[in-house]
Amino acid sequence: EAEVAQSPRYKITEKSQAVAFWCDPISGHATLYWYRQILGQGPELLVQFQDESVVDDSQLPKDRFSAERLKGVDSTLKIQPAELGDSAMYLCASREGQGILTGELFFGEGSRLTVL
Amino acid sequence: AQSVTQLGSHVSVSEGALVLLRCNYSSSVPPYLFWYVQYPNQGLQLLLKYTSAATLVKGINGFEAEFKKSETSFHLTKPSAHMSDAAEYFCAVIGARSSASKIIFGSGTRLSIRP
Repeated sequence: EAEVAQSPRYKITEKSQAVAFWCDPISGHATLYWYRQILGQGPELLVQFQDESVVDDSQLPKDRFSAERLKGVDSTLKIQPAELGDSAMYLCASREGQGILTGELFFGEGSRLTVL
Repeated sequence: AQSVTQLGSHVSVSEGALVLLRCNYSSSVPPYLFWYVQYPNQGLQLLLKYTSAATLVKGINGFEAEFKKSETSFHLTKPSAHMSDAAEYFCAVIGARSSASKIIFGSGTRLSIRP
């Protein structure tokens, strides 16, 4: 069964350090999302890609966060410098097609970040 | 703008008892609604979705939800809880005629099952 792959599963870093997360969506899925999930809360959208283009990054803290999907396949989310408040689970999701969402999102297992 | 409110951050039921997880939505356009489940240290998995067809929606693992426009609700139920149902459940919404495809999640309800 096709899955969304994410790495690393767990990352511990000190504040002010740089950290990067990688996501490989299900093959053929044009739309890719990065969500941040703080413990005890629901996922919050950080950035949405349609192929290699950013569709929505309105909630992405652009002073420290960046995301790219250069060839429209896998994607990287970077944080530099990391702050204590960035401790969270970072979830990647993908779906087929584009336009109004009626089908499901397929989520990876997430990357849990702890900033010390 | 769309939003969902999940009533009760934690629900505990006995094994075999009815499960009821509450979700109310707010949407300026007819909504599409979803329930997702998240097991510990895993991503989210779709349980069921409402996309303006039948108001009673059946999902996986014996769960179902009923769309009630008059009450702006989309509560999740299961007649008989099983230990394996223990997880976090998220209600989510998107505006059906929105040009965006952003899904908005609620804050979640943690379901615990007592033996």
